[in-house]
Amino acid sequence: RKEVEQDPGPFNVPEGATVAFNCTYSNSASQSFFWYRQDCRKEPKLLMSVYSSGNEDGRFTAQLNRASQYISLLIRDSKLSDSATYLCVVNKGNTPLVFGKGTRLSVIA
Amino acid sequence: EAGVVQSPRYKIIEKKQPVAFWCNPISGHNTLYWYLQNLGQGPELLIRYENEEAVDDSQLPKDRFSAERLKGVDSTLKIQPAELGDSAVYLCASSLGRAEAFFGQGTRLTVV
Repeated sequence: RKEVEQDPGPFNVPEGATVAFNCTYSNSASQSFFWYRQDCRKEPKLLMSVYSSGNEDGRFTAQLNRASQYISLLIRDSKLSDSATYLCVVNKGNTPLVFGKGTRLSVIA
Repeated sequence: EAGVVQSPRYKIIEKKQPVAFWCNPISGHNTLYWYLQNLGQGPELLIRYENEEAVDDSQLPKDRFSAERLKGVDSTLKIQPAELGDSAVYLCASSLGRAEAFFGQGTRLTVV
C-alpha cells in the first residue's frame, strides 16, 4: 500500500459547484498534514495545513480523520481559477514530506 | 523575500552526459529537499538535508546521482551519466525545521 493515496481524477465540475477530494495515508504515526496546489508546469504551492479539529480558509475546508487515516479537502463555489492538481502531503515527525500523486480538478464554465 | 531559486530552468542533454542542478533555498531555512517529479505523479524525495548533513538519501540512486550542500546553504544535485529515464522535473524545496516546505520553480531535464 502506498504511503499516501489519492483519487487521480480528473474531476470535471461546473463553476459554482462544490467538490471534495479524499486522501488516505498508511502511517498511523503521521503528525503533519497539508494540501498543496500545483498548476500545470509550475511548482507545488502550499494551499493549507490540516489541523486535527479541521480548518477553513475562505471557500476551502480541510478535515482530518485520524481513526480512519484520511484527509479531505472541500472546495465550495468552484472558480475557473481553482483548476489545478491538488496534492495531499503527510509527514511523521522529523521525516520528509510524502506526497500523493495528486487529484486533477477542472472547473468548467 | 526571495523564494527558492533554482537553475537552470530547462536543460536538454544527450544520454551519458553529466548534468548539474543548483538550488538556493530561502534564507534561514535549515532543511533542504531535492524531489523528482514525473508527469502525472507527485514529487518523490531524492535527498533531504538538515543544514549541511544529508539525513535522508535512501531514495537517491547513488551509482549515478550525487548531491552536496556545502556550508549548509545552497545545494547542487548532479547526475553522471544521465540516462533517458532521468527525464523529469527536479524540484528543490526548503523549510524551517518541520514547517511546510516551499518549492523552487524546478529544472525540467530532457535526456535525448
